Amino acid sequence: EPEVTQTPSHQVTQMGQEVILRCVPISNHLYFYWYRQILGQKVEFLVSFYNNEISEKSEIFDDQFSVERPDGSNFTLKIRSTKLEDSAMYFCASSDGDAYSPLHFGNGTRLTVT
Amino acid sequence: DAKTTQPNSMESNEEEPVHLPCNHSTISGTDYIHWYRQLPSQGPEYVIHGLTSNVNNRMASLAIAEDRKSSTLILHRATLRDAAVYYCISGGYGKLTFGQGTILTVHP
Repeated sequence: EPEVTQTPSHQVTQMGQEVILRCVPISNHLYFYWYRQILGQKVEFLVSFYNNEISEKSEIFDDQFSVERPDGSNFTLKIRSTKLEDSAMYFCASSDGDAYSPLHFGNGTRLTVT
Repeated sequence: DAKTTQPNSMESNEEEPVHLPCNHSTISGTDYIHWYRQLPSQGPEYVIHGLTSNVNNRMASLAIAEDRKSSTLILHRATLRDAAVYYCISGGYGKLTFGQGTILTVHP
């Protein structure tokens, strides 16, 4: 069964550094998402992306965050200047064109900001 | 998105059925009910979704109350692999609002 893959599985970075989290969504999917989960807390929506632009974003997704689909297969989340509170699991997800179709999540990148 | 209420935790024995309840009393007429689960150290995994009628798939069944204010996820024979946090979400589609979910423990 096709999977969403995320790399790296664990990223350690220093406060103030830029970090790029990478995702390869399922190949025929059209909608792409980032979610995050701070340790011990709920899974939170960050952003959705369709047709090469952001379709919706949460309050968490401020100017420090950006997303990009640089080619036909990758979907990236960039954090420009990481803060300690950005430490979390970041999950990428994708779905096909149907508005009611399920989201397929990757297994996440654990970001640790020191 | 309508708020959902789930028990914090439930326990089951292996190979027994499990009924996971969810209340969504403020659900609107067009909101779907989605269930996802999250196994330890993994991303959320889609389980099932429905609107009004009961739904079955290879993983589970979803029973939706006639007034749509509550639903029940049914795992017909729990296995150890079903131990996870189960999330009931109404509305949402791509933008899913996860609550704390129900931690399901399955005993051998």
